[in-house]
Amino acid sequence: LAKTTQPISMDSYEGQEVNITCSHNNIATNDYITWYQQFPSQGPRFIIQGYKTKVTNEVASLFIPADRKSSTLSLPRVSLSDTAVYYCLVGAYGGSQGNLIFGKGTKLSVKP
Amino acid sequence: GAGVSQSPRYKVTKRGQDVALRCDPISGHVSLYWYRQALGQGPEFLTYFNYEAQQDKSGLPNDRFSAERPEGSISTLTIQRTEQRDSAMYRCASSSGLAGESTDTQYFGPGTRLTVL
Repeated sequence: LAKTTQPISMDSYEGQEVNITCSHNNIATNDYITWYQQFPSQGPRFIIQGYKTKVTNEVASLFIPADRKSSTLSLPRVSLSDTAVYYCLVGAYGGSQGNLIFGKGTKLSVKP
Repeated sequence: GAGVSQSPRYKVTKRGQDVALRCDPISGHVSLYWYRQALGQGPEFLTYFNYEAQQDKSGLPNDRFSAERPEGSISTLTIQRTEQRDSAMYRCASSSGLAGESTDTQYFGPGTRLTVL
């Protein structure tokens, strides 16, 4: 399974755009990139998933360069409620493994 | 149900006792996963099921840990002869697609906080 590396923490202010970059140099051909969000005392919650190029939903955008060795989660105009831990994962779908490997994530703190 | 539920939400036990943690997945979800999460860490994979079949238990720390999902719905994670190092949040997740064959997202439950004294 591809290992991911992301910053331990980030600080931002309300209304700013936040970009969290994740490195996954050993990503395999059939791996998808998925981001989860976790609030304190809650389980992780799916945010967005992509394979290549750009994916956008009502919550975030995910940018994936052509070599897929990294990805960037973009949160537009963050609010205090976006304070959480964000996990970047790569999953070997279509293969023999169904488990997801979570790292330590990026702790985002949004300040007023 | 509306989401993944787990019970009990909190469990305090004495070292050496057995505990059973229950997970009730979203209705119709075929895959079920167990994770363990220490404070300040991401969830650590333990095992998963497609229907009633346990597909991968490579993440179980040792043979004191076991899991079952006999009817392909509710699952139980059992820890025998608990030790203090077993104290953690145990999370369950489910997804609608077959694990390993789809990109379906996992929906996590609230977790069971296990404390071993």
